[in-house]
Amino acid sequence: RKEVEQDPGPFNVPEGATVAFNCTYSNSASQSFFWYRQDCRKEPKLLMSVYSSGNEDGRFTAQLNRASQYISLLIRDSKLSDSATYLCVVNTGGYNKLIFGAGTRLAVHP
Amino acid sequence: ETGVTQSPTHLIKTRGQQVTLRCSSQSGHNTVSWYQQALGQGPQFIFQYYREEENGRGNFPPRFSGLQFPNYSSELNVNALELDDSALYLCASSDRTGRYGYTFGSGTRLTVV
Repeated sequence: RKEVEQDPGPFNVPEGATVAFNCTYSNSASQSFFWYRQDCRKEPKLLMSVYSSGNEDGRFTAQLNRASQYISLLIRDSKLSDSATYLCVVNTGGYNKLIFGAGTRLAVHP
Repeated sequence: ETGVTQSPTHLIKTRGQQVTLRCSSQSGHNTVSWYQQALGQGPQFIFQYYREEENGRGNFPPRFSGLQFPNYSSELNVNALELDDSALYLCASSDRTGRYGYTFGSGTRLTVV
């Protein structure tokens, strides 16, 4: 079993749609959680951290369920510029190794 | 505030050769990690450096080695290159805790032929 698993994708959605990404992690000792965005042939960029109480940043909402070891990202009112690969990332603590999921590609079309 | 910079941006090497990749960490960050990203996959952790010492390593053979310098910049060295080493190599810096996420450089794209 992979340490971080994501929806395989790709997701093809029209502008204005709401899209949800799901992620599970296997290490119950994981301490920090993130969503990164990666554009084609570019480096990953931090989209948002994920907190136990859930957090929102504009059109983006992240949720964490520690009991189920489950992380989600909701994007509302999708824009063409949201097209990218979304990476679920877990910091396992200790020496702070980041474990990445394989990523889910999102394509928003007009 | 300067971000993470990596050099070179692209590199082509022959199987069996050695390569050195370089990374300058973001201002205020003292921890540097290296990742390998093959096409279509998420980045895979290679190792991490803090205070000039390796303090964590992923599932990579010893021919992958590194250094961190007093100014927190870092090098990744790969000996005896194999075709499967072709990938995007990413450097990321953070504070000691990593709690607030990592900042990635734009990467070095290595092609082994």
